Amino acid sequence: DIVLTQSPALAVSLGQRATISCRASQSVSISRYNLMHWYQQKPGQQPKLLIYRASNLASGIPARFSGSGSGTDFTLTINPVQADDIATYYCQQSRESPNTFGAGTKLELK
Amino acid sequence: EVQLVESGGGLVQPGRSLKLSCVASGFTFNNYWMTWIRQAPGKGLEWVASITNTGGSTYYPDSVKGRFTISRDNAKSTLYLQMNSLRSEDTATYYCTRETIAAISTSGYFDYWGQGVMVTVSS
Repeated sequence: DIVLTQSPALAVSLGQRATISCRASQSVSISRYNLMHWYQQKPGQQPKLLIYRASNLASGIPARFSGSGSGTDFTLTINPVQADDIATYYCQQSRESPNTFGAGTKLELK
Repeated sequence: EVQLVESGGGLVQPGRSLKLSCVASGFTFNNYWMTWIRQAPGKGLEWVASITNTGGSTYYPDSVKGRFTISRDNAKSTLYLQMNSLRSEDTATYYCTRETIAAISTSGYFDYWGQGVMVTVSS
């Protein structure tokens, strides 16, 4: 299985940039497709898709969220961070079965 | 508006069975793969089962293969998960999700999620 590694937590100040990373144990890219996706989950709520295929913003997601990366290294950026963005963020790969998720990065206020 | 509404969760003893349902609305159900994903209390997300848009193929991780069965009724826009031989480690919130597949892969991303249903396996 492809293992996705995320830092457990990140502390950030409101109005600043947050950079959340996800590293895969092997490449999750096929040709020009980077098969990494990002989700946001707030306490007591279901996850919400933020970014698909590494850099595509999902419907209704604010432009302060962006994604980048290829191969094994991917980044979710939130700029500027707002209070409503305090949540846990998960990466997920669909390069090969089984689909796997990272353990999540909890975004906290500094 | 896309909606996914799960039901059927609850408390069940180890070794017993439970069947979850998910009613979908707001999109053409038979055009999409559907997937169950679970989350144990305080833990991360785990893929549980996927089914193609026609129901012709199903996919499971080793952790549930042979015990869980995913199915769908396209006429009723409803997804199911039959869970047999339940174990304590199956205790989790189960989410019904819509899966969008890229042509170059046999799995995709999950663009809509239900609110989840809790399953507790305990004696």
